[in-house]
Amino acid sequence: AQSVTQLGSHVSVSEGALVLLRCNYSSSVPPYLFWYVQYPNQGLQLLLKYTSAATLVKGINGFEAEFKKSETSFHLTKPSAHMSDAAEYFCAVSSPRGNKLVFGAGTILRVKS
Amino acid sequence: GAVVSQHPSWVICKSGTSVKIECRSLDFQATTMFWYRQFPKQSLMLMATSNEGSKATYEQGVEKDKFLINHASLTLSTLTVTSAHPEDSSFYICSARVPTGSYEQYFGPGTRLTVT
Repeated sequence: AQSVTQLGSHVSVSEGALVLLRCNYSSSVPPYLFWYVQYPNQGLQLLLKYTSAATLVKGINGFEAEFKKSETSFHLTKPSAHMSDAAEYFCAVSSPRGNKLVFGAGTILRVKS
Repeated sequence: GAVVSQHPSWVICKSGTSVKIECRSLDFQATTMFWYRQFPKQSLMLMATSNEGSKATYEQGVEKDKFLINHASLTLSTLTVTSAHPEDSSFYICSARVPTGSYEQYFGPGTRLTVT
């Protein structure tokens, strides 16, 4: 079975500050890991994905995440927050070629001016 | 590329009626599509996996007779909520899985269902 834990249901940062959204996973097989962003009343947009290649993954909008097997983590970071980054972020795990995405509970990011 | 659409984007229906939601992959063929449900301020819950040309696979606790899924072509899956009740009001999101490579899922914009 697979599961995802996102630490912090709400994160607040100042504009220009570092964004760090935490994600820990549990998986009995090598995982594929994803970060998605959701704006109000919209679907999910893929930010980045880890699929067993490079452990440091760069995504869209300046976000990146590092897969750390020893820590079973896949934290999302961005060096400098922008007001447009305010949204809800979901971490998800699947097995390679797996059918199912298992989502974390989500983290709402607030960016203060 | 990899665009998924949903129709309608929102719908209001009366209790006891049925409503159909369409999910289309616009620029790729998707042998597998997924239906999720999202309650306010909560995460996505997988309802069922829809495979083209075969019966859908439902997650535990999801009533297959209430949530009818049809995946008649490689670009279209439909979810019909039958005999809708107010507790069925939710945000329904579909996704389509890319058939090669990382098999990632691309999500539709969602359908807001309100049952009165």
